[in-house]
Amino acid sequence: IAGITQAPTSQILAAGRRMTLRCTQDMRHNAMYWYRQDLGLGLRLIHYSNTAGTTGKGEVPDGYSVSRANTDDFPLTLASAVPSQTSVYFCASSSQARNSPLHFGNGTRLTVT
Amino acid sequence: AQSVTQLDSHVSVSEGTPVLLRCNYSSSYSPSLFWYVQHPNKGLQLLLKYTSAATLVKGINGFEAEFKKSETSFHLTKPSAHMSDAAEYFCVVGNSWGKLQFGAGTQVVVTP
Repeated sequence: IAGITQAPTSQILAAGRRMTLRCTQDMRHNAMYWYRQDLGLGLRLIHYSNTAGTTGKGEVPDGYSVSRANTDDFPLTLASAVPSQTSVYFCASSSQARNSPLHFGNGTRLTVT
Repeated sequence: AQSVTQLDSHVSVSEGTPVLLRCNYSSSYSPSLFWYVQHPNKGLQLLLKYTSAATLVKGINGFEAEFKKSETSFHLTKPSAHMSDAAEYFCVVGNSWGKLQFGAGTQVVVTP
C-alpha cells in the first residue's frame, strides 16, 4: 500500500542523546514535511523540503535538522535531545501542486527524560 | 498573515444526531481551507478541501463544509454522527504559496 512509513513508532530517550526519526514515502512526492503535535497547539511545522537536495526551516526548527538526499527519504535528527522535545512527530508529503493535500505517516511518539 | 481558530476544543454528540465543528480563519489572501481527521494513534487524513470553487464542499464519510467569506468561517457538518466519527478534527488554512496553518483541533466524542 502506497504511503509514508515512519520509524520508530515510539521511543524513550535520555536527555542529551542524539536521535534520528526516519521517514520514507513511496508516492514520488516532491515535497516532504516534519511536524510536531502537542496538546492544544495543533501541528507545527519543524522543517520542510520542496524537492530532493533542498530543505527549509518551518515554524519551530531549533534543535532539529533534516536532510533530503533523495526523493523518498526525509530523516529528522535531534542532535542533543531536551525534555521540551517530548512530542508526537509526523512526517508528511505532498505532490506540491498548489493546494494539494498532505499525506501523513502514523507518527513517532518521542519521550525525552 | 494567516491564522485559524477552532472554536470548540471538545464536542460531544449522540449517535445519529448532527455534528457541527466550527472554524474561523483570517488570511490576507484568498485562502485554501482544509479539514483533516485524526483517529487515535494515526496520522491525519484529508476530509475535504476548499480552493475557491463551490462554496459548499463535500468530503468523505458524509462530511461537508461551507465557505462563508463574509463570516470568515469554514464550519464542518455531518447530518448524522456515527460511532466511527469519534476522532480529532483539524481545520487548516493555506495561503497562495502553500504555507499551512493548523488549528488546535476539536476532539469529537460520540455517545451511543
